[in-house]
This record gives sequence, C-alpha cells and structure tokens, in this order.
Amino acid sequence: GESVGLHLPTLSVQEGDNSIINCAYSNSASDYFIWYKQESGKGPQFIIDIRSNMDKRQGQRVTVLLNKTVKHLSLQIAATQPGDSAVYFCADPTPNAGNMLTFGGGTRLMVKP
Amino acid sequence: NAGVTQTPKFRVLKTGQSMTLLCAQDMNHEYMYWYRQDPGMGLRLIHYSVGEGTTAKGEVPDGYNVSRLKKQNFLLGLESAAPSQTSVYFCASSYSRRTQYFGPGTRLLVL
Repeated sequence: GESVGLHLPTLSVQEGDNSIINCAYSNSASDYFIWYKQESGKGPQFIIDIRSNMDKRQGQRVTVLLNKTVKHLSLQIAATQPGDSAVYFCADPTPNAGNMLTFGGGTRLMVKP
Repeated sequence: NAGVTQTPKFRVLKTGQSMTLLCAQDMNHEYMYWYRQDPGMGLRLIHYSVGEGTTAKGEVPDGYNVSRLKKQNFLLGLESAAPSQTSVYFCASSYSRRTQYFGPGTRLLVL
C-alpha cells in the first residue's frame, strides 16, 4: 500500500546548528501531513502540520517544507538544542480509515553538546 | 485536564494469559486509536473508533479486541497473550483529522 517513509535512521548534529529531517511519501492524493516528536519512553507529541496547498509552514524554531512534485517533506529545526534529541516521525492521516496515521520508521536526532 | 491516560504503565504476562489495557481521554474527542510500537519501528494501528459504540480494524488487529462503551474510554483486550505481542502500546485520541494526542504508553512483556 501507500507508505510514508524516512531517508535516514539517525542524524547527529552539534548543539546550535540547524537540523534537517527528511521524509518521502508515495500517495499522490495525500493532502495533509503531520510531524511528531517522540522522546525516549514517551508518546509521540505533535510538532507541526502542513496542508498540500502550502509549500512551507513555520512554527517556533521549526519549519516544514513540502515539495509535492517529488513527494518530499522536510522538517527544519533551527538552533538545535539538547532537548530536541528524540525520534521524529512524519505521518499521513488516512481519511477513509478513521484518520489512521501512517508512520514511517522515524529519524533519531542526536544533539552533541 | 489530564489529556490521554493509559493504565497500566507496565505489565508482564505469561503466554496464554489475558488482560485489558485502558485508555481514557478528557478532551471530548470522537476518535480514539490503539497503536503498537516495536523497537526501531514506527507505530502501527491495531484498532480504532470513530465514536462511542463503534470500532474498526486497523493494520494489525489479529489477537486483539476493543470496546468503546463510553466516549471517553477505549479498551484494548488480549484474550490469549503471545510473545509476539510484546510491545509498547499507545492510545491516541483526536477531534478531527488534525492532531492525534497520544498517551504515555503501556509496556507489555509476554513471556
């Protein structure tokens, strides 16, 4: 079936640098995407979302970019902090299945002090 | 406002035993979900509910049953636990297609 997946399993960055986490999707009909952050031992936490009629959306220190042509999303974290260390998932709600989220395997972000 | 809570936090079962995981939300959400997460993997949907009294199968429903007798509660049952059901179970709820709010998880070990 359709899938949402991530390019890299682990990303290591220096504290203060910017982080970029990538995500590819295969369903051309997907029109809404959500990024989640999952810290060790906790449930996923909503970060930011974007609809397909947008190319970019900004939050606090985070920006999501959507390239529909190549079916690619990225999450950019500015001035990465130790508290940003977590696994990041992109997800695609499926409206015909009760908004079931299809998750990729996740990218682990490790922040070096 | 506690959000989404799950009980128990951790449980050890022997193969063949049964148990029920409880999820409760106080946000008046219509939609509720049960996911499992295995090491190094994303979440996979077990069952979900779009309203009180309704349930539906997700990606990996075999070996699990659910009930949504009250809007605020969503129960996940394992009738005869198997080692393959060792996992971390997350419950989530949502108002619409937007954000799903997740609970803290239940760690289940089946010996």
